[in-house]
Amino acid sequence: NAGVTQTPKFRILKIGQSMTLQCAQDMNHNYMYWYRQDPGMGLKLIYYSVGAGITDKGEVPNGYNVSRSTTEDFPLRLELAAPSQTSVYFCASGGYVGREYFGPGTRLTVT
Amino acid sequence: GIQVEQSPPDLILQEGANSTLRCNFSDSVNNLQWFHQNPWGQLINLFYIPSGTKQNGRLSATTVATERYSLLYISSSQTTDSGVYFCAVEETSGSRLTFGEGTQLTVNP
Repeated sequence: NAGVTQTPKFRILKIGQSMTLQCAQDMNHNYMYWYRQDPGMGLKLIYYSVGAGITDKGEVPNGYNVSRSTTEDFPLRLELAAPSQTSVYFCASGGYVGREYFGPGTRLTVT
Repeated sequence: GIQVEQSPPDLILQEGANSTLRCNFSDSVNNLQWFHQNPWGQLINLFYIPSGTKQNGRLSATTVATERYSLLYISSSQTTDSGVYFCAVEETSGSRLTFGEGTQLTVNP
C-alpha cells in the first residue's frame, strides 16, 4: 500500500492565483481530512469527508473548497491565494473510529 | 468545542533518559491518538488509545478517560525520538480530531 499520497510537495503561489492540492489514499478509508499547520503550531482542520459525495467544514474552511467524487481522492482547492494561506497542508484518512494516517504534506508559500 | 492541553510545551533530555508527556482534555472522548512529527515534518501515528494502556517498544501510553487525561511514556530516549508529539482527541458527539499544540522534544546525544 502507498498509504496517503499528496502532490505537490512544494509550491510557491503569487497572491490571487489558484491551485489544487491533490490527495489520494489506497486503504479504502471512508474518512478523509485536510489540515493546515502553521509554523510552531498544531494542526487545524480545514475540511473533512465521511464518504464519497459528502464533505463538511472544519475549523478553518474560509478560502478553501473540497470535493469527494471517489473514495480514493480528496482534492483541496485554493481560490485567490492570500499570504495567510502560507502553511503546510496535510491530508489524512481513517476508518469510522480509529487511527488517522497522514500524507507527507505540501509546503505552500504565497507571496 | 473540546479543549486539548499538552504539557510540557518543551522538553530537553539526554539520550537514555525517560520522560512523560501529558494530554488533558475537557470533555468525554471516543478517540484519542498520539502522533510524532519528526524533524522532517512527517506525522506518524503512535497510538490509538481512547482508554487503557498500550505499549510499543520503548513507548507506552495510558488514557484515563474518566479523569480526562492521557500520558505518553518514552523510556531510554534516543536522538531519533526528537520532534513534536501531538495528542489529538475526538469528542463523543463529534466526528473529527482536535489537536493539542504539541510537546517539542529534543534528545541530545
